[in-house]
Amino acid sequence: QVQLVQSGAEVKKPGASMKLSCKASGYTFTSYYIHWVRQAPGQGLEWMGVINPGGDTTSSAQRFQGRVTMTRDTSTSTVYMELSSLRSEDTAVYYCARVGKFLTGSLDFWGQGTLVSVSS
Amino acid sequence: DIQMTQSPSSLSASVGDRVTIACRASQSISNFLNWYQQRPGKAPKLLIYAASSLQSGVPSRFSGSGSGTDFTLTISSLQPEDFATYYCQQTYSTPRTFGQGSKVEIK
Repeated sequence: QVQLVQSGAEVKKPGASMKLSCKASGYTFTSYYIHWVRQAPGQGLEWMGVINPGGDTTSSAQRFQGRVTMTRDTSTSTVYMELSSLRSEDTAVYYCARVGKFLTGSLDFWGQGTLVSVSS
Repeated sequence: DIQMTQSPSSLSASVGDRVTIACRASQSISNFLNWYQQRPGKAPKLLIYAASSLQSGVPSRFSGSGSGTDFTLTISSLQPEDFATYYCQQTYSTPRTFGQGSKVEIK
């Protein structure tokens, strides 16, 4: 069965960096794009970016460019999302999600989410 | 960026009611529109993709329609487990923007 298992909760200070992981199983890792989506407390969903595990290409929302880096390790079927220069507004639950049907871009499987708290 | 606007932002309904949620895109997105359900404390769940296709395993009381800029999610007969927040998302272009969400509450 398809699973995306994310790393555990983190507490960070402003200005620090974080690196979250998302380990995939139950399917061919390199055949499906992975997106990152975040949700601030009590707020809606915000798209951050996407990585193609098969080609290591990435694309991110302009507001995160310069701060976000997405990478993958095909040997462990894991994608990583690093966000630098953290500020309090980055406090959120971060989700990874798989694109099931490429042409539609729909996200058919999601990780359980990682809560990141940024506070001094 | 394409802006996605949902209405209403919240609604109260009873079990058995027919519920409709609208989603409007700021420009035409053809049928590149997906709907998700999110229960409190849980990850979103895909309900509808490509505007009107039902995701495998999703009950048939959920349906989607629309094309271009105007889309609708309909729940034909609301069940207790359907009380949640619903989001539309466009996948026509990057960034893949979401609507602000529509919360369905118990009347």
